[in-house]
Amino acid sequence: GQQVMQIPQYQHVQEGEDFTTYCNSSTTLSNIQWYKQRPGGHPVFLIQLVKSGEVKKQKRLTFQFGEAKKNSSLHITATQTTDVGTYFCAGRGNNAGNMLTFGGGTRLMVKP
Amino acid sequence: ETGVTQSPTHLIKTRGQQVTLRCSSQSGHNTVSWYQQALGQGPQFIFQYYREEENGRGNFPPRFSGLQFPNYSSELNVNALELDDSALYLCAYEGWREQYFGPGTRLTVT
Repeated sequence: GQQVMQIPQYQHVQEGEDFTTYCNSSTTLSNIQWYKQRPGGHPVFLIQLVKSGEVKKQKRLTFQFGEAKKNSSLHITATQTTDVGTYFCAGRGNNAGNMLTFGGGTRLMVKP
Repeated sequence: ETGVTQSPTHLIKTRGQQVTLRCSSQSGHNTVSWYQQALGQGPQFIFQYYREEENGRGNFPPRFSGLQFPNYSSELNVNALELDDSALYLCAYEGWREQYFGPGTRLTVT
């Protein structure tokens, strides 16, 4: 079945440094979504990417979808303590009825 | 706020027992998915319900079962609990693009 891998598993950064998490799928995706989960919270939707090579920005966050629609990345510029949490990618396959498959997440810790 | 509620918040059960978890939404969305999230891992898809019918299932044994009601609220039932069933159980209603997650039920099996 479809597998989604994320690296790194953990990342410690100093406040103000940049952060990137990478997501790779074993199969071609129809779309990919990104979620953020704060400690003790539930996943909250950030964005959806659909097109090959798509790049979207939300303030300091930049999301990319690979040309082959099998990988994606999230880059945060100048991290802040409010960025702390676990970032998950979740891919949806091309077959009808394919559900979201979540990656293992990257836990971001920011030192003030 | 997503408008998705889950009950109970926390639950402690003994191995072999049965548990029912509940989920509802104020939004009127008709598609709900259940996920199991073990500590330090991503949510794992259990199953999805659309208009009271199971619409897809992940790699979970039959002792994980569900229901969806006419008002689109949903239940997750787990029989013969095992220690490895200890996890955060999340439900999520499908919007036009994203999923709206509830706060989850933390299940501990001892």
